[in-house]
This record gives sequence, structure tokens and C-alpha cells, in this order.
Amino acid sequence: QKEVEQDPGPLSVPEGAIVSLNCTYSNSAFQYFMWYRQYSRKGPELLMYTYSSGNKEDGRFTAQVDKSSKYISLFIRDSQPSDSATYLCAMKTGGYSTLTFGKGTMLLVSP
Amino acid sequence: GAVVSQHPSRVICKSGTSVKIECRSLDFQATTMFWYRQFPKQSLMLMATSNEGSKATYEQGVEKDKFLINHASLTLSTLTVTSAHPEDSSFYICSATPMGRLDTEAFFGQGTRLTVV
Repeated sequence: QKEVEQDPGPLSVPEGAIVSLNCTYSNSAFQYFMWYRQYSRKGPELLMYTYSSGNKEDGRFTAQVDKSSKYISLFIRDSQPSDSATYLCAMKTGGYSTLTFGKGTMLLVSP
Repeated sequence: GAVVSQHPSRVICKSGTSVKIECRSLDFQATTMFWYRQFPKQSLMLMATSNEGSKATYEQGVEKDKFLINHASLTLSTLTVTSAHPEDSSFYICSATPMGRLDTEAFFGQGTRLTVV
């Protein structure tokens, strides 16, 4: 079992839809959770950064962490075609540890 | 957010030659930078941790003699793929975190697509 599991998709939605992206993990020591957006042939861009459990909201994006279930989510409201990209979850055990990434979910938002 | 610049963005080289990729933090200093490799539809795989002024730390299975890392200053790390072969063709990405703030998020470069022919 891989440390971080993420459905690669693609996930296709119409413009304006609410998108839910998820990752599960097996290492209960993970405490820092991040979501990155990666456009084709570009480096990842940080979207959300959360520590421990709970919700965090930033504009149209909401990140949720459920440590009891080892499950994290990213919600995108009012999705736009410009949101079409691959979304990577990443996590680490401590502030100074290295990141472990999911495979990424490809999201396609059609106009 | 902080800016990490990676150069070149794309390179094609002949089999057997060496290629150098640069990673620069433009508006902050970084004692630690990271090098990743990403195959199509795959996750980012950490290759090595680059430490300013000391030897890089390589992940298991990564050949240190093939992937030479130099972190000569607080704003520059380089990755040299030596004697490149077609199987080294991949997307290479670096990341850096502001000095003294390893507890924060990592900022990524734009990536370098290496094609070995």
C-alpha cells in the first residue's frame, strides 16, 4: 500500500460545478497537508496549506483534513475552465521533513 | 509568494552527453533545496535534498554519480545529469523553502523537461 493514494482521474465537470478532490493516507504521523495545482508542463503551485485536522477556506477553495479517517479533501466552488489542471495532495510528518505526494488528479472543467 | 526559477525549461540532448539544470530562489535564501523527478501521470518522486555548502542527500535508488548536485550558494542549486540516456528523459522539478522556515510550504520551479535522444 502506498503512503498516499489519490485517484488520477480524469474528473470532468461543467463550469460552475462544485469539485471534490480527495486523498487518503496510511501514515498517521502526517501532520502537515498541502494541495498543489500543476498545469501541464509546469511546476506545482501551492493552493492550500493546513496543519492537523479541520477546515481552511481561501476564496473558492476549501481544504478539509480528517486525521481520524486519514482523509483529506479539496473543494472547489464555482469551478472555472481555468481550474483545469492536475491537483496534487502532499503531506509531511514534521515541519522539517520531506514531502510525500499523491499521484495527482486531473481535473477538466468544460465551459 | 516566493519565486523559484528553474532553467532551462526544456532541453534535448544526445545520449552520452551531460545536462545541467539550474534552480534559483529569486527573492529569498534557501539552505535546502529539493530535486524531484516526475514521469507522465505519475507523482513527484524526491531524488535528493541539496544542502548549501555540503553534500547532497540522495534517496534510495538514485545514483549520486549520475545525478550530480551542487548547492554552491544560498540561492542556487544545480543538477547535472551525466552521461544521459533515453531512460533519463523525464520532467525534473526543484523546490526551495526560505531559510529558517523549513516548517512552511515549499515553492517549486517551473520544471525542466529533459529529452535524451
